[in-house]
Amino acid sequence: DTGVSQDPRHKITKRGQNVTFRCDPISEHNRLYWYRQTLGQGPEFLTYFQNEAQLEKSRLLSDRFSAERPKGSFSTLEIQRTEQGDSAMYLCASTINNQPQHFGDGTRLSIL
Amino acid sequence: QKEVEQDPGPLSVPEGAIVSLNCTYSNSAFQYFMWYRQYSRKGPELLMYTYSSGNKEDGRFTAQVDKSSKYISLFIRDSQPSDSATYLCAMSARDDKIIFGKGTRLHILP
Repeated sequence: DTGVSQDPRHKITKRGQNVTFRCDPISEHNRLYWYRQTLGQGPEFLTYFQNEAQLEKSRLLSDRFSAERPKGSFSTLEIQRTEQGDSAMYLCASTINNQPQHFGDGTRLSIL
Repeated sequence: QKEVEQDPGPLSVPEGAIVSLNCTYSNSAFQYFMWYRQYSRKGPELLMYTYSSGNKEDGRFTAQVDKSSKYISLFIRDSQPSDSATYLCAMSARDDKIIFGKGTRLHILP
């Protein structure tokens, strides 16, 4: 399988807990993006990496959110002290050289 | 005004009909225009990608871009029940994040 892989597919947690999601991009794609999608809306940009460098962060990414891509391959997105409003689908996409972004199937986060 | 406007639908059409989906945008910096299809609980799947005004055809799908009017369209010919999904218009400036429309929910009636 050469597509973008995300894990877990679904995460249920209690409010106040920390959660971490993982994204494995398409091999050799140097750019990796995180988006958030709520019901009835299109995905909204959160942050992106070129190799291991985090180059842009949206104002949607509060201090409770942190993303890493330590070796320029997979990436993790962590949410600390989760809130009800964090319930959403978290999507990862990857690309190289001005090619269109390819998306994974997302991690659906449900906050109880 | 949002950067990208898209009617959320739902849009219901009979099988075999031609479907027309549209978006308008306000940011002149957008250079790349895409249409993604998204099934329930799945990620967006790239359907069409173009960076110039005019038409681009791929099988039953035609993407149309009019930069002077800031208007893009997707046409689906001979629509099938399997085309039932949410269609997201999307655009970006060079090497940049994608800005999506809200998505249009499409139902093809057998």
